[in-house]
Amino acid sequence: KAGVTQTPRYLIKTRGQQVTLSCSPISGHRSVSWYQQTPGQGLQFLFEYFSETQRNKGNFPGRFSGRQFSNSRSEMNVSTLELGDSALYLCASSLMDGDRDEQYFGPGTRLTVT
Amino acid sequence: QKEVEQNSGPLSVPEGAIASLNCTYSDRGSQSFFWYRQYSGKSPELIMSIYSNGDKEDGRFTAQLNKASQYVSLLIRDSQPSDSATYLCAVPGYSSASKIIFGSGTRLSIRP
Repeated sequence: KAGVTQTPRYLIKTRGQQVTLSCSPISGHRSVSWYQQTPGQGLQFLFEYFSETQRNKGNFPGRFSGRQFSNSRSEMNVSTLELGDSALYLCASSLMDGDRDEQYFGPGTRLTVT
Repeated sequence: QKEVEQNSGPLSVPEGAIASLNCTYSDRGSQSFFWYRQYSGKSPELIMSIYSNGDKEDGRFTAQLNKASQYVSLLIRDSQPSDSATYLCAVPGYSSASKIIFGSGTRLSIRP
């Protein structure tokens, strides 16, 4: 079974621009979560989507948004990029199995904002 | 606020020895616990899940859970240089603020 895929893998943007990242979950997984990872802050939860609905949202500004399509693929968008948005953005998918909801991560998109 | 605490390390262990990684959590209601391994520059990889008190073994890895003491540990037997990575402990968030809560990770270095 194919794993979680993310595109693009690397991205360089300029301050003020916007960016869209894409995530395709493992086949059969309906939950997709997004995380931001930086050296100083570790892994921080952005949001989770299930059945095209946002279920959970972390403590990030409104510039960070996402959506999920009917085939469970998900996108996240960051508008008006800031230097501090430079990070590894990770997508994880899971089956939504209650407490035993194992998340599997994609390779990530490394975003650099200049 | 639920918390997951790990010693950041680095933890240096000689090749062939047992590496012991520890994690404590604040919420007594936590029922599931996960260990992820993350190599530098790569994404986290799920290596163990444990749901019941006691030990769970998978190859060279053993996860140990003690709910009364609120800690979970990961033992790596016969440590190899390829085990050098950051190990992240995680528990479900049980709230709308986070799907899963990760510890800050322990850096493990296996020295030849």
